[in-house]
Amino acid sequence: GAVVSQHPSWVICKSGTSVKIECRSLDFQATTMFWYRQFPKQSLMLMATSNEGSKATYEQGVEKDKFLINHASLTLSTLTVTSAHPEDSSFYICSASTSATGANVLTFGAGSRLTVL
Amino acid sequence: GESVGLHLPTLSVQEGDNSIINCAYSNSASDYFIWYKQESGKGPQFIIDIRSNMDKRQGQRVTVLLNKTVKHLSLQIAATQPGDSAVYFCAEKLLAYTQKLVFGQGTRLTINP
Repeated sequence: GAVVSQHPSWVICKSGTSVKIECRSLDFQATTMFWYRQFPKQSLMLMATSNEGSKATYEQGVEKDKFLINHASLTLSTLTVTSAHPEDSSFYICSASTSATGANVLTFGAGSRLTVL
Repeated sequence: GESVGLHLPTLSVQEGDNSIINCAYSNSASDYFIWYKQESGKGPQFIIDIRSNMDKRQGQRVTVLLNKTVKHLSLQIAATQPGDSAVYFCAEKLLAYTQKLVFGQGTRLTINP
């Protein structure tokens, strides 16, 4: 079946530094990927839609300059948290979409836990 | 609308019993709904889906019911097992031409031995 891999699975960084999280579709090509953020004991909140070869579409309230998204190939999208602060500590999850995975079924990665000190 | 939750509702059931998890969705125009299971520290895992032109769909040990009149979705899990312990989310697809999903609040299911 379709597999989405995220790396790193967890990362700890100092306040003010930038962190990059990768989302890869391992056995299929993903024209669209989605980035979610999940705080403890809360639901997944959609941050942005990542489109291969074009700019990402951000949800209302998500700062595009803070959360940089690059979808340079059909198998890789990256999320960079710039100038991270403790309030950015969260579980970041990506999902990938392609007709190969089924018309409406998104495949989710295992998530990346970011802790900003 | 977007789901914002301060805490997760919880449901405890005895192993072997049936469980019902409920979800209220936001948009009457949503045409597709999915239930996901999320174990601690992992990403969501697809359980079952249903289109808006249906009111019931069955899978292996799971059944999803859709009531469009009151915008309500439920997930029934039969003969619960310890491995069913997780957080369960419903998700709705707001727009027909996109796969963008909005997740519900979630319910933590605990199976007691």
